[in-house]
Amino acid sequence: AQKITQTQPGMFVQEKEAVTLDCTYDTSDPSYGLFWYKQPSSGEMIFLIYQGSYDQQNATEGRYSLNFQKARKSANLVISASQLGDSAMYFCAMRERGMDSSYKLIFGSGTRLLVRP
Amino acid sequence: EAGVTQFPSHSVIEKGQTVTLRCDPISGHDNLYWYRRVMGKEIKFLLHFVKESKQDESGMPNNRFLAERTGGTYSTLKVQPAELEDSGVYFCASSHRGSGAANEKLFFGSGTQLSVL
Repeated sequence: AQKITQTQPGMFVQEKEAVTLDCTYDTSDPSYGLFWYKQPSSGEMIFLIYQGSYDQQNATEGRYSLNFQKARKSANLVISASQLGDSAMYFCAMRERGMDSSYKLIFGSGTRLLVRP
Repeated sequence: EAGVTQFPSHSVIEKGQTVTLRCDPISGHDNLYWYRRVMGKEIKFLLHFVKESKQDESGMPNNRFLAERTGGTYSTLKVQPAELEDSGVYFCASSHRGSGAANEKLFFGSGTQLSVL
């Protein structure tokens, strides 16, 4: 079963508007972490934001915020005031405990965001 | 501070040949991870080093893949012999080993695009 689901393969947004990228997850572990990464055309994966399963408040980092709805198992990324430089692939990921208590990331398939001028 | 660097950025080889990918983590980062994204699919975990030890190699697809991290600094990932299905982008990531493993932030390199013809 897929553990991280990103249902939007591609999204458009007008410059200066807000956009929400969807992410749902599945886990039976009560302790987990959720991450969003951005991958611009240059290829590197850039960390954007983190949400812990026990965090009481939604995470925010500048123009990025995470709409965390634990009961629905969703962790949507909200980008406010979109900029042309936000055009990229966006990956949602969940931290899962691996062997010997190590942690590894499980990624979704990604959403390609294109910001229109 | 230098980020995670990967070499080469691109590699095109023929089926049956050998390829070695290199990753230099951020200085002082004990954790080193390899991930790969096969065309159109999710980014998948391959393995995790803590210093020079393999902590978790449950994601390694088969014995044609060999990862090493001699001395706990840079790491290599060798594919021998390469097959067509090995084509994809291979990412390396590193992190500093701290007490809060669940929110450990991974710093990714730009990846190596491997094409097996």
